[in-house]
Amino acid sequence: DGGITQSPKYLFRKEGQNVTLSCEQNLNHDAMYWYRQDPGQGLRLIYYSQIVNDFQKGDIAEGYSVSREKKESFPLTVTSAQKNPTAFYLCASSREIGNQPQHFGDGTRLSIL
Amino acid sequence: SQQGEEDPQALSIQEGENATMNCSYKTSINNLQWYRQNSGRGLVHLILIRSNEREKHSGRLRVTLDTSKKSSSLLITASRAADTASYFCASMNSGYSTLTFGKGTMLLVSP
Repeated sequence: DGGITQSPKYLFRKEGQNVTLSCEQNLNHDAMYWYRQDPGQGLRLIYYSQIVNDFQKGDIAEGYSVSREKKESFPLTVTSAQKNPTAFYLCASSREIGNQPQHFGDGTRLSIL
Repeated sequence: SQQGEEDPQALSIQEGENATMNCSYKTSINNLQWYRQNSGRGLVHLILIRSNEREKHSGRLRVTLDTSKKSSSLLITASRAADTASYFCASMNSGYSTLTFGKGTMLLVSP
């Protein structure tokens, strides 16, 4: 079955550490997205990528970095510069950027030790 | 920045009843989308309605869009316990290619 796989499901980070969240899709979608969800809140866009080797900052990119070296993969690194990283992180993809529905993974919950 | 705002924040109904959730937005849009999220899971796309459409149906779901009032509603008819979830609207603003999500409505359907 086609879909989006996020790993790990739960992740713990120590102060000062960088951690990388994995997102892989086999839907042959060009566009991919990373969102952050805090309790009782909607989703906020961190980064998005329209195509391989291209990505743009979203509304809350500070303290995060991404890469898009392969169409299938869009990893997110939460750096030590992100002072409040505890959240639920969701990856999504769409056939192309724009007027398309987005398909979501099941998320990674990141907590600080 | 967050634009869509859902109303109510929470809704509790009995199985078989209809559930109506509303969404308001502030600027002109290309389309508006509704998603469902079960607890601890990712979002699932329900319906996309374009700015030149007024109503759309999918099974027990009915979405309306009123661009003059900058609002949309999602109606779930004959609700089931399995419909228990959070429901989010997301707008794609004119001139932009990404979605802006609201804070969601938590729906509880009791057997």
